[in-house]
Amino acid sequence: EVQLVESGGGLVQPGGSLRLSCAASGFTFSSYSMNWVRQAPGKGLEWVSYISSSSSTIYYADSVKGRFTISRDNAKNSLYLQMNSLRAEDTAVYYCARDLYSGSYFPDYWGQGTLVTVSS
Amino acid sequence: AIRMTQSPSSLSASTGDRVTITCRASQGISSYLAWYQQKPGKAPKLLIYAASTLQSGVPSRFSGSGSGTDFTLTISCLQSEDFATYYCQQYYSYLPITFGQGTRLEIK
Repeated sequence: EVQLVESGGGLVQPGGSLRLSCAASGFTFSSYSMNWVRQAPGKGLEWVSYISSSSSTIYYADSVKGRFTISRDNAKNSLYLQMNSLRAEDTAVYYCARDLYSGSYFPDYWGQGTLVTVSS
Repeated sequence: AIRMTQSPSSLSASTGDRVTITCRASQGISSYLAWYQQKPGKAPKLLIYAASTLQSGVPSRFSGSGSGTDFTLTISCLQSEDFATYYCQQYYSYLPITFGQGTRLEIK
């Protein structure tokens, strides 16, 4: 069974940093591209970042470019999102999501999400 | 960025109804479109990709159609478990990947 479990969310002050993790199991993690997608409270879905299976290709939404860094450790079956210079508008549930197949750019499995709240 | 516009934003229907949700892209995206279902407090679930391909395990009452700029998601006979919010997503241009604003399907 495919499982994606996010962790690392919490309350952080504006300008602060947070690192999200996503532990993957039930599939060959190194064979799939991965994404982070977020959802502000009561709002729609916003794609945040993409990383290819080998980490050779990485993309970011303009809203987080230069502040967030996506990475993965295939040996540890883990995906990460380092978030710096956090703003109130970054407050959201952050989902780790696996592409249906590597390079498909649409996810089939999603984690349960981790809530990031940016507030003083 | 390619803008995805869904209509309606909300919809009331009854069990057994046939409902259609529309998604329009601001430019042509061929068939690079996916549909998701999201229930409150839960992660999205992939229903359809490539505009009309049903994801494994998704009931056949769900169907998708369209290409270019105009797409539809149809639920042929609403069941109680179908009341949720639905999102379209384009992946023709992955810089950035974009979602529609969502359509909330409520019980009449």
